[in-house]
Amino acid sequence: DIQLTQSPSFLSASVGDRVTITCRASQVISSFLAWYQQKPGKAPKLLIYAASTLQSGVPSRFSGSGSGTEFTLTISSLQPEDFATYYCLHLKSYPLTFGGGAKVEVK
Amino acid sequence: EVQLVESGGGLVQPGGSLRLSCAGSGFIFSDHCIDWVRQAPGKGLEWVGRSGNKADRYTTQYAASVTGRFTISRDESENSLHLQMSSLKTEDAAIYYCVRVSRSGFPDYWGQGTLVTVSS
Repeated sequence: DIQLTQSPSFLSASVGDRVTITCRASQVISSFLAWYQQKPGKAPKLLIYAASTLQSGVPSRFSGSGSGTEFTLTISSLQPEDFATYYCLHLKSYPLTFGGGAKVEVK
Repeated sequence: EVQLVESGGGLVQPGGSLRLSCAGSGFIFSDHCIDWVRQAPGKGLEWVGRSGNKADRYTTQYAASVTGRFTISRDESENSLHLQMSSLKTEDAAIYYCVRVSRSGFPDYWGQGTLVTVSS
């Protein structure tokens, strides 16, 4: 099975900060990676798919990059509504697996 | 508007069974794969399984943790998907989400989830 390791697991940041979250895959997964945002008590929301394609309706301050085994999610200027937990998901092969999550907290 | 609505969650004893349902609207249900994803209280997301679309003849895939205990099925006439869970364990307790898979292959729209509690 392909494992996804996210780092950091927790980060404290302020409004306006540039935030970067990394997702590393245990095998090459090309660009079969998506990023999700989850707020407390809510279902996850798709932000990025195919590693770097912004889902319709998602603000342009979110961006994704990478291919192969290393991927990043960047928030260019953190907004109050961006404090949440972020997950990566690979779709290279079954079983699909999620990263452990990265919680972005208020500094 | 794409909508997915889960139902059927509740309290069940270890070893028991439960059937979850997912009703889809706002899209051609049979054209899309549908995933089940769960989240134990305070924990991360775990993929449970997938129903392929009609072109895939609704082929199913499962996580190792549920293989042999969980079964995914479709009801074409009602645009619904079911997750039959048996031999439930305490570690199966979670919010269960059904998730539509886009034509590009990425899970995009999520339901609100249904809570399954496994306890004696």
